[in-house]
Amino acid sequence: AQTIHQWPVAEIKAVGSPLSLGCTIKGKSSPNLYWYWQATGGTLQQLFYSITVGQVESVVQLNLSASRPKDDQFILSTEKLLLSHSGFYLCAQGDSGNSDYTFGSGTRLLVI
Amino acid sequence: QQKVQQSPESLTVSEGAMASLNCTFSDGTSNNFRWYRQHSAKGLEVLVSIFSDGEKEEGRFTAHLNRANLHVSLHIREPQPSDSAVYLCAVNYNQGKLIFGQGTKLSIKP
Repeated sequence: AQTIHQWPVAEIKAVGSPLSLGCTIKGKSSPNLYWYWQATGGTLQQLFYSITVGQVESVVQLNLSASRPKDDQFILSTEKLLLSHSGFYLCAQGDSGNSDYTFGSGTRLLVI
Repeated sequence: QQKVQQSPESLTVSEGAMASLNCTFSDGTSNNFRWYRQHSAKGLEVLVSIFSDGEKEEGRFTAHLNRANLHVSLHIREPQPSDSAVYLCAVNYNQGKLIFGQGTKLSIKP
């Protein structure tokens, strides 16, 4: 069975500080990976997707970046956090066809 | 731009009564449709996936898809207080693009 582990579970960070959120996938080789973000009370938006190691496509610009250093790892980061980065971040894996997506349990981020 | 719109924004239903949620989408090229449930900003729980026009049942959850009307609905039979959550409609397009609606907050009164 596929599992997705996200870390950290929650973070409180200062404006201007760096951020790194991680996601590892087990039980599936060469997965398609996605980062989603949800502002408090807002809609889930797809931020990035990656089909293969080293390749990441940006969907929404939020002054964030993503990298895929290994087949089973997806990293979301920024060097300088903004207040608007607060929210809930979800990592997901899925196929471009009709297979179900699997979501991680998310990281709650508060920027102060 | 592909859009997904859910209604109502919030819904309160008595325990045991049918709960019905709606979702309209802007683009008929979508591959498939999913209904998710989210408890207090935790991870997503998939309820029903539907690919073809008609009905798909998963336990107490039934989805109805009508591509011509750009509409998919979710019906919850005999809802319980533990079903209180935010329900999200998601439309899957090519290249793994998944567009979410803004959600319907469902409350079940005992």
